[in-house]
Amino acid sequence: DQQVKQNSPSLSVQEGRISILNCDYTNSMFDYFLWYKKYPAEGPTFLISISSIKDKNEDGRFTVFLNKSAKHLSLHIVPSQPGDSAVYFCAASGGGNFGNEKLTFGTGTRLTIIP
Amino acid sequence: GAGVSQSPRYKVAKRGQDVALRCDPISGHVSLFWYQQALGQGPEFLTYFQNEAQLDKSGLPSDRFFAERPEGSVSTLKIQRTQQEDSAVYLCASSRALRGGGGNEQFFGPGTRLTVL
Repeated sequence: DQQVKQNSPSLSVQEGRISILNCDYTNSMFDYFLWYKKYPAEGPTFLISISSIKDKNEDGRFTVFLNKSAKHLSLHIVPSQPGDSAVYFCAASGGGNFGNEKLTFGTGTRLTIIP
Repeated sequence: GAGVSQSPRYKVAKRGQDVALRCDPISGHVSLFWYQQALGQGPEFLTYFQNEAQLDKSGLPSDRFFAERPEGSVSTLKIQRTQQEDSAVYLCASSRALRGGGGNEQFFGPGTRLTVL
């Protein structure tokens, strides 16, 4: 039962254009959402997060949008740069016991920026 | 460095062997998590420590998997009698999060790639 879904396994975007990565979730107990970026042979690196009390969070070129009614979030990267080429994971937390903020991850989207 | 470190980075084991994977979290981080990442999948939760207390081990796939963090810092994930299906990348993460501290991001180590032959 996949509680966090990233339905696009891959995405190619021209350098300088906007990259939009999507994520859907099913568990209404989730109250915090994060995006991680992963290069080969490295661990995931935190990018940006959003609490369920907000619908938008922006950090430089990265913006995350949350639509709670649709249980959908997206990550916008603008302008896209070659160094953004990586696998992006959507993750969610909340509703855990003992203050456990364990993360539930999607399966990832491989983003390729074309120079 | 100041990040999460894991060792070894790569481990090849024969089926039936026991393995031990080490995680050094960021100094002062209270929470420590282990995740398992199979090829082409996202990381999946294994177990959680708050200081030395193992508060959640619901993700451990079998009783062959055992984790400890005896002094509330370094953690070891042990897999006994390894099987081929244990082949995966094992990721450790730490955070400052305490009870009710939702939202503190987790910082991941580079992972240990385990291959069981």
